[in-house]
Amino acid sequence: SAVISQKPSRDICQRGTSLTIQCQVDSQVTMMFWYRQQPGQSLTLIATANQGSEATYESGFVIDKFPISRPNLTFSTLTVSNMSPEDSSIYLCSVEAAGWLAGVFGPGTRLLVL
Amino acid sequence: GDSVTQMEGPVTLSEEAFLTINCTYTATGYPSLFWYVQYPGEGLQLLLKATKADDKGSNKGFEATYRKETTSFHLEKGSVQVSDSAVYFCALSGVGKLIFGQGTELSVKP
Repeated sequence: SAVISQKPSRDICQRGTSLTIQCQVDSQVTMMFWYRQQPGQSLTLIATANQGSEATYESGFVIDKFPISRPNLTFSTLTVSNMSPEDSSIYLCSVEAAGWLAGVFGPGTRLLVL
Repeated sequence: GDSVTQMEGPVTLSEEAFLTINCTYTATGYPSLFWYVQYPGEGLQLLLKATKADDKGSNKGFEATYRKETTSFHLEKGSVQVSDSAVYFCALSGVGKLIFGQGTELSVKP
């Protein structure tokens, strides 16, 4: 199955700044997903990123806050903009595998906003 | 909408004890069901899955059976080890996404 890497693995940021998280997959995939896991909480889908089209955002998430790029079939970025302490979370990239949405997850990016 | 409910944690067991983590779901249609595990400081790993009613998923001594009549997918293991300490998430495949339960933290003591 696909292997996913994310950068950075963790970061501490000041409020009001932005952070871009990179997701690299070792094989070409059609769909990439970005999830958020707030402290002690479950995972929530932020958006689905397909190459060549605009990302599709879930209710409660907007492009201005979480812009996503998907320049090719192996790479995507998620930016967390104008951060506040409430954005402190683990952000995970995921791809489908063998046709299943329950595919592979990246190791996550642990973000702390002060 | 679709949803997943897991039993509250944390769950604390002694080594070699029997484990059950309850998971029930609400969904339209016939979703696939999954258990994921998140070890401390790590990302999510798919533990097992079942794609239709009465399917049993199994992996690493864990198993879960897709019960359509009770809308359940309980995770079981006959004898837990300290290395099984982790957070376990039940999930279903919704329309174009995965829907996760709230997670159940398992702590196994020697």
